[in-house]
Amino acid sequence: NAGVMQNPRHLVRRRGQEARLRCSPMKGHSHVYWYRQLPEEGLKFMVYLQKENIIDESGMPKERFSAEFPKEGPSILRIQQVVRGDSAAYFCASSRDESEKLFFGSGTQLSVL
Amino acid sequence: QKEVEQNSGPLSVPEGAIASLNCTYSDRGSQSFFWYRQYSGKSPELIMFIYSNGDKEDGRFTAQLNKASQYVSLLIRDSQPSDSATYLCAVTHNTNAGKSTFGDGTTLTVKP
Repeated sequence: NAGVMQNPRHLVRRRGQEARLRCSPMKGHSHVYWYRQLPEEGLKFMVYLQKENIIDESGMPKERFSAEFPKEGPSILRIQQVVRGDSAAYFCASSRDESEKLFFGSGTQLSVL
Repeated sequence: QKEVEQNSGPLSVPEGAIASLNCTYSDRGSQSFFWYRQYSGKSPELIMFIYSNGDKEDGRFTAQLNKASQYVSLLIRDSQPSDSATYLCAVTHNTNAGKSTFGDGTTLTVKP
């Protein structure tokens, strides 16, 4: 049973480009969460999704960031017109239910030049 | 004041000793408390969760919760070099672990 799969592992973008981060939850998991982690800091909640629905996006920046979890395929975190301050590790986690244990993916390290 | 505060460390203990990691939180309505271990460059891994006041033991790990003092701790007995990692405390208002507020982590080094 594969774990939470994130790709790419590393992503380099120039300022102004778009970044697309993908997350496939564990089999049987329908709850997906995205987090951002800056160096020497903890995880910051960004968004909580279930299939085809955004449940809570209170941690998402109001502009340039969007997320989706379509009926088929992985969850996507999209960052438009990236800036250097977007450089961070982005982790995805999934769970079977709201009250169930979280399993984290290996993360995507985004570097903006 | 941060919602979840941890000593950043580094905390250094000799092999075989007890490592004590502490966390305080500001939201009195918090209900669920989690400890994650994160090795450098890796993803967080849940090692303990606790919902009720008191102690909860799992192998070499003990989580302690005191809601009145808004304090949660993690004790690691018989520390091993493989325990060297950053430990993240996470707190949530309900039982949804995914909505947790995380502390910045305490880095633990266990010296052989």
